[in-house]
Amino acid sequence: DTAVSQTPKYLVTQMGNDKSIKCEQNLGHDTMYWYKQDSKKFLKIMFSYNNKELIINETVPNRFSPKSPDKAHLNLHINSLELGDSAVYFCASSQRVAGGVDEQFFGPGTRLTVL
Amino acid sequence: AQRVTQPEKLLSVFKGAPVELKCNYSYSGSPELFWYVQYSRQRLQLLLRHISRESIKGFTADLNKGETSFHLKKPFAQEEDSAMYYCALDPSNTGKLIFGQGTTLQVKP
Repeated sequence: DTAVSQTPKYLVTQMGNDKSIKCEQNLGHDTMYWYKQDSKKFLKIMFSYNNKELIINETVPNRFSPKSPDKAHLNLHINSLELGDSAVYFCASSQRVAGGVDEQFFGPGTRLTVL
Repeated sequence: AQRVTQPEKLLSVFKGAPVELKCNYSYSGSPELFWYVQYSRQRLQLLLRHISRESIKGFTADLNKGETSFHLKKPFAQEEDSAMYYCALDPSNTGKLIFGQGTTLQVKP
């Protein structure tokens, strides 16, 4: 089944903890992204990697650190979790084409709840 | 600043009625614009992009540079069109999508 997958689907944790969300794509794409969707359903890009290299790094607290071990994986590690980190996190991937990038394919999302 | 605005949070229409989901953008260059859709319990997926000029599931969207708009239209709404619709701008062709706030379309029988 070719797609973008994320684990876990749900994550409930206490404030101050450190957690990771994993993302994998088997579409052969060279670019991967992390987005955050807040409680009002507003989607905002956080990071983007192209062939394991960071190319987009939006204004995100240092507590968030993406890691790309290879071009098929982009994990998101969050340190010292805060209440405001509660959101749905989406991973996506796309392929660079002449003149830009192709459509982005999204994962199912990870709902993070910080108590 | 680069921005996408979808003024309607919720749009409710009856089946068979025309639909127009509004999207305005703020960008001085040549925009790359998209409509993404999220059906209930499904992933966010691309509906259409202005560069392809296609009609997908009966939806069309025309880029109006003068009005900086990219409204999504369908002449006859179907119940299965009920979903969350996001307009998005890629200002630098790097995949850095700037999303609007999203519009929930509710098509009533």
